Amino acid sequence: EPEVTQTPSHQVTQMGQEVILRCVPISNHLYFYWYRQILGQKVEFLVSFYNNEISEKSEIFDDQFSVERPDGSNFTLKIRSTKLEDSAMYFCARRTVTNEKLFFGSGTQLSVL
Amino acid sequence: DAKTTQPPSMDCAEGRAANLPCNHSTISGNEYVYWYRQIHSQGPQYIIHGLKNNETNEMASLIITEDRKSSTLILPHATLRDTAVYYCIVRVGLTQGGSEKLVFGKGTKLTVNP
Repeated sequence: EPEVTQTPSHQVTQMGQEVILRCVPISNHLYFYWYRQILGQKVEFLVSFYNNEISEKSEIFDDQFSVERPDGSNFTLKIRSTKLEDSAMYFCARRTVTNEKLFFGSGTQLSVL
Repeated sequence: DAKTTQPPSMDCAEGRAANLPCNHSTISGNEYVYWYRQIHSQGPQYIIHGLKNNETNEMASLIITEDRKSSTLILPHATLRDTAVYYCIVRVGLTQGGSEKLVFGKGTKLTVNP
């Protein structure tokens, strides 16, 4: 199975700071997703992204969040001004156009202090 | 919210078959059953999905009842590495215009014992 690489694996930041989480693309994986999991809780959908546009987002994905994939490079999730409650494991996922199977990365553990 | 019901935990002996049940009594005709698992705190891993026919791949088998109100994921020869949380998810197929979102419930924590 294609590996989904996320960087960094751990990120510690101060409340109010901006963070950028990255997901490395594979050429034929055109659909991208971000999910998060707060410690001890369910995996939650944040956003899906296709053809340089957000195709779907959840209520969690408010104005503090943004995603982009500039020029076919890394797929990124930006949190503009982090809050304590943003502390979670963030998972990137990808799939091809024709396959419903999602490949998840190993996650970025974000800790907001 | 998740449209499925799973037992919170199960145990299985190493080498034996693990049968994980899932109830989805309100499933619609165009909704698929998907199974993912999450080993420790890693990212979820796709296992299998199906609509109404039984499915098998290198990881597992999926048995869906005729009325489609429940299904069972079978790991034929469980190993210690199969210890994980298993999620049963119901969703309209993407080829039929379904939402991109996977809604994860609490899943079943499967422990494979030596």
